[in-house]
Amino acid sequence: AQRVTQVQPTGSSQWGEEVTLDCSYETSEYFYRIFWYRQLFSGEMVFLIYQPSFDTQNQRSGRYSVVFQKSFKSISLVISASQPEDSGTYFCALSEPPWGYKLTFGTGTSLLVDP
Amino acid sequence: ETAVFQTPNYHVTQVGNEVSFNCKQTLGHDTMYWYKQDSKKLLKIMFSYNNKQLIVNETVPRRFSPQSSDKAHLNLRIKSVEPEDSAVYLCASSSGTANSDYTFGSGTRLLVI
Repeated sequence: AQRVTQVQPTGSSQWGEEVTLDCSYETSEYFYRIFWYRQLFSGEMVFLIYQPSFDTQNQRSGRYSVVFQKSFKSISLVISASQPEDSGTYFCALSEPPWGYKLTFGTGTSLLVDP
Repeated sequence: ETAVFQTPNYHVTQVGNEVSFNCKQTLGHDTMYWYKQDSKKLLKIMFSYNNKQLIVNETVPRRFSPQSSDKAHLNLRIKSVEPEDSAVYLCASSSGTANSDYTFGSGTRLLVI
């Protein structure tokens, strides 16, 4: 069964600091994908980055990157040079085959970046 | 503009009423979804449609029913709402097999009083 855990319910940082948000998951599939989303205060979910399981290279996209530890079934989102606009709730989500089926979400980490 | 559009943004209704939420995507995707986000921000899949066909129907009360007229539209109807239906309902779409382009709407917040 799929399960996604985000043990940090909240987090904070100062402007310019690097932030790391943790996620662990359970899956019996060999192929899967892990997504990271940020939910704005308006409720909108914004896609940030995703990591396919077959790719051993950590994915990067702008100020976002991940640290993918496949053997531990964990993945961390790293935000470099955090800004107040990065404040929001960050969700980790697991996608398994068949693709286009569903995302299984973690409970989220609420991040506040102080100016 | 290509995106996922949801209406209404907010809806307040009384127990027992029927409500309907609309979702439209202009991304050319072939799969659409409804998720429920509860007061603790937990997001759970409710329904998934691929090319107007229901492919996922998680355990939700029978008063919930999805309605799809074409692959760009997926509405959600709730017959006889209950207080526990108060939540944010998020619509999403993706191009099925690619899946990496999963895109969400901004949500419909329902309050049942």
